[in-house]
Amino acid sequence: EPEVTQTPSHQVTQMGQEVILRCVPISNHLYFYWYRQILGQKVEFLVSFYNNEISEKSEIFDDQFSVERPDGSNFTLKIRSTKLEDSAMYFCASTGTSGYNEQFFGPGTRLTVL
Amino acid sequence: QKEVEQNSGPLSVPEGAIASLNCTYSDRGSQSFFWYRQYSGKSPELIMSIYSNGDKEDGRFTAQLNKASQYVSLLIRDSQPSDSATYLCGVSSASKIIFGSGTRLSIRP
Repeated sequence: EPEVTQTPSHQVTQMGQEVILRCVPISNHLYFYWYRQILGQKVEFLVSFYNNEISEKSEIFDDQFSVERPDGSNFTLKIRSTKLEDSAMYFCASTGTSGYNEQFFGPGTRLTVL
Repeated sequence: QKEVEQNSGPLSVPEGAIASLNCTYSDRGSQSFFWYRQYSGKSPELIMSIYSNGDKEDGRFTAQLNKASQYVSLLIRDSQPSDSATYLCGVSSASKIIFGSGTRLSIRP
């Protein structure tokens, strides 16, 4: 069964460093998303991406964040200068033909900022 | 601010019984509603989606939607120990899903 994959599973970085989180969405899906979940808190939307551009972003997704689809399969989230409060699980999700349809989540990347 | 509210629990249900999970939402324009299961340290796993008023059944799971009351529920019949997890209610808003904080369900033997 097709699934969303994410790498790495765990990333440890120093405050101020740049990190890139990688995702491979399900192959025939058209809509891609990043969410994050701080330990013990709810899953929060960061950004949605369709047709090679951002379709919506949250207040969390400030200038330190960017997304890219560098080729036909990968979808990346870059944090330019990490802060302690960026420590969280980051989930990539994708959905097929409509943004209102079911979203399928990857296993997540645990980001720890020291 | 569009909100999705869930009772955080924990909800403790004996094995074999029916577990009932509830969710309310604030955005009347929402079109799609989802239940995800999340085990500790894992990602959300889609269990059910529902788009129109009424009931939708899939195996031991039944989702119920009442748009007039802005209410979604999930029933789990014949609860099993493997059902112990946090259940997230998700409501579509534009191109994203807004999640509740989740209800922790514990199935006791």
